[in-house]
Amino acid sequence: EAQVTQNPRYLITVTGKKLTVTCSQNMNHEYMSWYRQDPGLGLRQIYYSMNVEVTDKGDVPEGYKVSRKEKRNFPLILESPSPNQTSLYFCASRDLTGGNEQFFGPGTRLTVL
Amino acid sequence: RKEVEQDPGPFNVPEGATVAFNCTYSNSASQSFFWYRQDCRKEPKLLMSVYSSGNEDGRFTAQLNRASQYISLLIRDSKLSDSATYLCVVKKDSNYQLIWGAGTKLIIKP
Repeated sequence: EAQVTQNPRYLITVTGKKLTVTCSQNMNHEYMSWYRQDPGLGLRQIYYSMNVEVTDKGDVPEGYKVSRKEKRNFPLILESPSPNQTSLYFCASRDLTGGNEQFFGPGTRLTVL
Repeated sequence: RKEVEQDPGPFNVPEGATVAFNCTYSNSASQSFFWYRQDCRKEPKLLMSVYSSGNEDGRFTAQLNRASQYISLLIRDSKLSDSATYLCVVKKDSNYQLIWGAGTKLIIKP
């Protein structure tokens, strides 16, 4: 089954404790992206990647890091989480050569205390 | 001004009614348009693309008005299962980025 997976689905942590949210897709998509979604603000892009070893900042990159060492994986790293990073996070992937549909992971609900 | 704007709603609509909502975009260079549906606390999923001549998929009709820079979504004979947030998405074909509206919440009532 074609899908994007994220782990963990739920995470409660404390300020300053480094964490990683994993993202993996099995559709051989070149493009992968991370979003955060907050009430009233919609989806805001954090980082995106056009291919392996190619990453770029989105609209709200501060406080986040990403890497793209393999085509299928695109982890999101919070080196020192703060309460304002409490949010719902979505990973997504898209085939740049084919259709325009973007596929999302199920989301990770992060709470930083 | 946001690049893509939507009325957040909620739109409370009785079952069986027809409902329509719009989305405006600011960049006239935008070339591709989509509606995504997002159920509560779930991931967004593509509902339909929006073509220049307008397009229909069952009870759903999408329209594009380039002159006034808006797209619309019309839902006929609404069902309880149509309750969701509908996200408007715009892509400028000069780059690969998608610009997302904040969504319109629709509640269908029995």
